[in-house]
Amino acid sequence: GDSVTQMEGPVTLSEEAFLTINCTYTATGYPSLFWYVQYPGEGLQLLLKATKADDKGSNKGFEATYRKETTSFHLEKGSVQVSDSAVYFCALSFYNQGGKLIFGQGTELSVKP
Amino acid sequence: SAVISQKPSRDICQRGTSLTIQCQVDSQVTMMFWYRQQPGQSLTLIATANQGSEATYESGFVIDKFPISRPNLTFSTLTVSNLSPEDSSIYLCSVFSTGFLEAFFGQGTRLTVV
Repeated sequence: GDSVTQMEGPVTLSEEAFLTINCTYTATGYPSLFWYVQYPGEGLQLLLKATKADDKGSNKGFEATYRKETTSFHLEKGSVQVSDSAVYFCALSFYNQGGKLIFGQGTELSVKP
Repeated sequence: SAVISQKPSRDICQRGTSLTIQCQVDSQVTMMFWYRQQPGQSLTLIATANQGSEATYESGFVIDKFPISRPNLTFSTLTVSNLSPEDSSIYLCSVFSTGFLEAFFGQGTRLTVV
């Protein structure tokens, strides 16, 4: 079945460090891909998305490129801040299934000043 | 965007009892989704609730344990029945916007079973 695999956490970085969180997927067909973020004490919110191969999603300095050949959607940010500390979830969805999401296991990021 | 109101936000329940979670959306949607997030874990889809028909459950989830109602296009409830400590989780409802091409989530219900 369809699945998403994320890099294990927790990840601890110093402020201004470079961030990569790996995400790969297994799916029959070509899903849309998403990164969701869950800040401490808050609900889940969309960070960025890509709907087709080679699309790059970006938001708040984060980027991820939909790579069909490697079935990957790695999240990157050039310089993290303490406020980026959160749990990050990679997910996929097929619109013909109504938009239900399959999530990766989540990666907890902690950024130290 | 879609605004989702979910309640209660948290509850502590005795084992063997049930908890019903309500989800209200500010616009009409065809499908609503219910997810479970166990402590330290990812989100797992429980079921898809369609208005006017039976909910569709994912593997490992059954209607007797997680009955769902969907009386109209803006509202749904999830009941977690015969509670055990293993049911302690965060439960979230969600809708998908075809216009925004993204899913929106309620704030979640944190359930603790004692």
